[in-house]
Formats: sequence, C-alpha cells, structure tokens
Amino acid sequence: DTAVSQTPKYLVTQMGNDKSIKCEQNLGHDTMYWYKQDSKKFLKIMFSYNNKELIINETVPNRFSPKSPDKAHLNLHINSLELGDSAVYFCASTNERYTEAFFGQGTRLTVV
Amino acid sequence: AQSVTQLGSHVSVSEGALVLLRCNYSSSVPPYLFWYVQYPNQGLQLLLKYTSAATLVKGINGFEAEFKKSETSFHLTKPSAHMSDAAEYFCAVSVGTGNQFYFGTGTSLTVIP
Repeated sequence: DTAVSQTPKYLVTQMGNDKSIKCEQNLGHDTMYWYKQDSKKFLKIMFSYNNKELIINETVPNRFSPKSPDKAHLNLHINSLELGDSAVYFCASTNERYTEAFFGQGTRLTVV
Repeated sequence: AQSVTQLGSHVSVSEGALVLLRCNYSSSVPPYLFWYVQYPNQGLQLLLKYTSAATLVKGINGFEAEFKKSETSFHLTKPSAHMSDAAEYFCAVSVGTGNQFYFGTGTSLTVIP
C-alpha cells in the first residue's frame, strides 16, 4: 500500500488554465504539506495543514489554494497557471512528533 | 530559527570509494535530523534519521551518519560507493514543533565507474 499518493504524476497544461493535484495519505498522520521543487532541485514549503487547519502558508501567490476535506487528504488547486509554475510538486505527511516525513512520488507540472 | 547547509551541490566519487556528503545545521533547540535520497523522477525516500538516541545512525543501503553537536554537523557516509547510489541527497531538520521540515539545497552524487 502506498503511504502518500499523489495524482496525477504528470500534468501538462496551457497558460491560463486551472488545475488540481490530489494527495492522500493512509498513515493516520495529522499533518500534511505541499512542497515545490524547482529546476535546481530546491525544496520549498508552500503549505502545511494540521488536522484540516492551515498552519503554514508561505509566500505563495494566491492563485494557489490548498484544500483539506479531511485529515487524510490535501489537494492543491492552481488558478490561471503561469510558465513559472512549472515544477515538481510534492505532497508529504508527518507524524505528530515530526520525527519522520513521508513523501509522495511528486507531480511534474509543465505549463506551456 | 532552523536551517540546513549542505556543502557541495555536486559530488563525484569513483565506484568503490568513500562517499561523504556534508550537512551542517542551525537550531536553537535539539533537532531531529534526516537524510533523504531522491532518485531521478521519483519522490524522496528516507535514508536515515537522528531523533536524540544514538549519535551514530545507520540507514538503508549501507549509509550512516553521525550527529556531532559540537560541530553542528550530520554528515552522511558510505564506505564504498555503488553505481546505484547516484542520486540527489537532501539533509533536513525538524525540531519537533512548528510543523515544518527544513531542507538543505541538496547534493547531487555522481558515481564514476
């Protein structure tokens, strides 16, 4: 069983479109994250949710909106996609003591 | 504030040689420290972690790391590199609160046959 799963794995879309990436974890964790990995492999946290509540909201354009329908799911919706949004987006979850973070396989978003 | 510095964005070693990837951290409280590996087009996989137990931590695939508080370091080593070790390696720190893992900028390991 996959611990943290993201869909889709690849997403190619045109500028101006709206798209969503879904994430689910079956680990029973309360905290989930979205990270963005740029072309230089740098991992930057975007959002953190704890038990469906937004905890961290880094400096991210408000075109990005996370939604957590329950603590096992954290989806990322992106409006009006721009070329600069092209990156790999990772979902992750952690246990309550933050002693380990589990990552999904990533979604490679390409905006053309 | 917490941060992680990985010295050397690219490291090349010969197959069979020692692998040493450097990580220094900054933390105002005792940290938890992690090494993750990312193979091409894949997610991050936990190699090993230090969570205030033994300072020498052994992980998967023959890797180990030593927590040195006096040097604020958590360097990753492997005695003998294998071709399959070629990947991106990330050091990370968490402090058990604050809801965040702080990642270094990554080190790309190349293994030369």
